Amino acid sequence: GAGVSQSPRYKVAKRGQDVALRCDPISGHVSLFWYQQALGQGPEFLTYFQNEAQLDKSGLPSDRFFAERPEGSVSTLKIQRTQQEDSAVYLCASSSRRQGWETQYFGPGTRLLVL
Amino acid sequence: DAKTTQPPSMDCAEGRAANLPCNHSTISGNEYVYWYRQIHSQGPQYIIHGLKNNETNEMASLIITEDRKSSTLILPHATLRDTAVYYCIVRVYGQNFVFGPGTRLSVLP
Repeated sequence: GAGVSQSPRYKVAKRGQDVALRCDPISGHVSLFWYQQALGQGPEFLTYFQNEAQLDKSGLPSDRFFAERPEGSVSTLKIQRTQQEDSAVYLCASSSRRQGWETQYFGPGTRLLVL
Repeated sequence: DAKTTQPPSMDCAEGRAANLPCNHSTISGNEYVYWYRQIHSQGPQYIIHGLKNNETNEMASLIITEDRKSSTLILPHATLRDTAVYYCIVRVYGQNFVFGPGTRLSVLP
């Protein structure tokens, strides 16, 4: 079946601009995760949803970052008043614990460049 | 912080086995060992995971030492397409994945 998809794949924003990044998880996956990956680093956890509930947002770096998943499927990560340090790849992953064991399936990421 | 230590880079000849080590000396009894890889410009891809027994699937084998303080991921016949960053992660079921810098594997022709 289809994997996790993300859009846009690339985004260039001017400093101070707001951006919205979309994630379409694998159908039926109840858990959804957002990660931020700086150049040359491993992904870093941002936030986690189970269905529409945001259960953990401890990794969000500032209150400029906001994520939602209103219907328990598609999720949007919004960054307000972007700064140059927000430039990174933003990865989305989904998982299904109904499989009995858990792993996360990642999308291709959105590469954000803030000028 | 990541609970694992991996070499920053390794080379492997095409067609040979690639053996990627990982140290996790502080692993606790309920923590699994996971391996992911990330090919350039793609998201991380799940490879394999285990608790204490050795595991094998169509992609790789995972060998975990008896004391569980280290493990080795084995790609039995590496191809050029296996060139990637390989991440070893230990985590309790349900916790978030904490990625370290991983090992950059270069498969050479």
